[in-house]
Amino acid sequence: GAVVSQHPSRVICKSGTSVKIECRSLDFQATTMFWYRQFPKKSLMLMATSNEGSKATYEQGVEKDKFLINHASLTLSTLTVTSAHPEDSSFYICSAWTSTNEQFFGPGTRLTVL
Amino acid sequence: DAKTTQPPSMDCAEGRAANLPCNHSTISGNEYVYWYRQIHSQGPQYIIHGLKNNETNEMASLIITEDRKSSTLILPHATLRDTAVYYCIVRVGGGNQGGKLIFGQGTELSVKP
Repeated sequence: GAVVSQHPSRVICKSGTSVKIECRSLDFQATTMFWYRQFPKKSLMLMATSNEGSKATYEQGVEKDKFLINHASLTLSTLTVTSAHPEDSSFYICSAWTSTNEQFFGPGTRLTVL
Repeated sequence: DAKTTQPPSMDCAEGRAANLPCNHSTISGNEYVYWYRQIHSQGPQYIIHGLKNNETNEMASLIITEDRKSSTLILPHATLRDTAVYYCIVRVGGGNQGGKLIFGQGTELSVKP
């Protein structure tokens, strides 16, 4: 199946710093990508829809100034967690649709904010 | 948005078929049903999707009732590696390469030797 990668797989940062997470579609182009986060023992929560060449669409309750999304090309979307705090520690996962109506997910990025 | 209801947990004996039910009674006529599974600390893995007809691939079969209000995912010969949380999701909106997948709580399937 199609492959979606994320980098880094794991990051630890100090409170107040910003962290950038990359999501790439490796063998297909994606005009739309999605960002989720998942807390321990909980389900995935959709944060935002990343649109190539235009602004991201955020789900209700997600701070757009806190979670900056850039979708600069058809294969790359980035999520920047600005001024991270311990409560932002979570598992962040991206996904993208293929042309065959399958949505593939990346392996996830574990963020720990100290 | 159409929502899904799944049992929180199920057990299955290794080598037997695992039948995972899902209710989606408010599904609209053009909304697809998707199934994913997630093994601990990994991204969700696509399994199968369907609209009206039953579907089968190398991983599983998807049986959708005629009224489309429920579906069943069948893993024909469960192995220990199939132990995971299984999510039944109704795609919200969008055509090709569109729409959102809103995850519910899923079913935690435990395959036992």
